[in-house]
Amino acid sequence: ETGVTQSPTHLIKTRGQQVTLRCSSQSGHNTVSWYQQALGQGPQFIFQYYREEENGRGNFPPRFSGLQFPNYSSELNVNALELDDSALYLCASSLATGLAGSTDTQYFGPGTRLTVL
Amino acid sequence: AQSVAQPEDQVNVAEGNPLTVKCTYSVSGNPYLFWYVQYPNRGLQFLLKYITGDNLVKGSYGFEAEFNKSQTSFHLKKPSALVSDSALYFCAVRPPFTGGGNKLTFGTGTQLKVEL
Repeated sequence: ETGVTQSPTHLIKTRGQQVTLRCSSQSGHNTVSWYQQALGQGPQFIFQYYREEENGRGNFPPRFSGLQFPNYSSELNVNALELDDSALYLCASSLATGLAGSTDTQYFGPGTRLTVL
Repeated sequence: AQSVAQPEDQVNVAEGNPLTVKCTYSVSGNPYLFWYVQYPNRGLQFLLKYITGDNLVKGSYGFEAEFNKSQTSFHLKKPSALVSDSALYFCAVRPPFTGGGNKLTFGTGTQLKVEL
């Protein structure tokens, strides 16, 4: 098991609502990445936070937003939920050296299963 | 843009036999390659990675992977499969220089089933 924790485990929302998912990174890690894994698919990169700033974003609309806190934990916020947002949301933490070509490995949490009705 | 292909949705193997899970990739420059495993209702567990050096990379739980630059492949292998290896396996790639960010691009996954 990694030291990455996520809450809540499961969540049910209705279309149009807003949701906040939380992630605590592994001790010593300074970077958090979020992924969306739809049923039967591989994880898709949403964005990454490094030193409390967004540091790379995938092909997701602006209603997906995030934060990273001074203790390196992170939140993923999704506004105006749509049915297609139903997925497993994975958080991964890593230790980035800040150098181009960093070889840091991402360690994943157990995920939050979001169901949008 | 980088991409990963896992050509087999499912691989079946008998316990004790060797297993191979295939992965091919496309990326600019020399790739960083990863294998992760996912058990039901769990997150992804890191198995191994290739950055540079020896083409044969050893990882957790007896798994290894062979990097082949000419074939742009990074196949996962294990000499003797266990029933407990049954899970969903993902190959992932990222380019070495992203200018910041560490975006992993995953394949669609291969379900490994090891039978007695």
